[in-house]
Amino acid sequence: DGGITQSPKYLFRKEGQNVTLSCEQNLNHDAMYWYRQDPGQGLRLIYYSQIVNDFQKGDIAEGYSVSREKKESFPLTVTSAQKNPTAFYLCASSFQQQTGGYTFGSGTRLTVV
Amino acid sequence: AQSVTQPDIHITVSEGASLELRCNYSYGATPYLFWYVQSPGQGLQLLLKYFSGDTLVQGIKGFEAEFKRSQSSFNLRKPSVHWSDAAEYFCAVMVGNKLVFGAGTILRVKS
Repeated sequence: DGGITQSPKYLFRKEGQNVTLSCEQNLNHDAMYWYRQDPGQGLRLIYYSQIVNDFQKGDIAEGYSVSREKKESFPLTVTSAQKNPTAFYLCASSFQQQTGGYTFGSGTRLTVV
Repeated sequence: AQSVTQPDIHITVSEGASLELRCNYSYGATPYLFWYVQSPGQGLQLLLKYFSGDTLVQGIKGFEAEFKRSQSSFNLRKPSVHWSDAAEYFCAVMVGNKLVFGAGTILRVKS
């Protein structure tokens, strides 16, 4: 079955460490997105990528980095520069036309200890 | 700036009662509108979407939504709520090539 897979489901990080969240899709989608979710704030866009080897900053890109070397993969690195990284991170993908909406992964909960 | 407002943070309804979740958007052109549902600790699932045409759209799980341009609204409805509908619901609007989400409404269902 086609879908979008995020791993790990739970992640613990010490302050000052970088950590990378994985997102893989086998839907042949062109575009991929990373959102951060905090209680009461909905979803906020971190980065997105419309095509391979290209990506754009979203609304809250500071302290994060991404790469898009393959169509299927869009990993997110949370760097030590991110001041408040504890959150629920959601990856999504879509076709370029986006008329079908986004398909979401099941999320990664990152906790900084 | 384009935005989505969900005025109700929490709503509690009795099982079997009807439901309406409110969504207002701020967008100049004809919007592409979506409703998603999220169970705790899970990703988002698309319930329904509106692009054009009939302003009443049907979705999965018995949900429907009505687009009202004059009120800039896209409210989600269900005639009879089941306990399994308890979740968080997000309204979203496509702005350019990005989805902009409301803050969400948490639905509680009491038996």
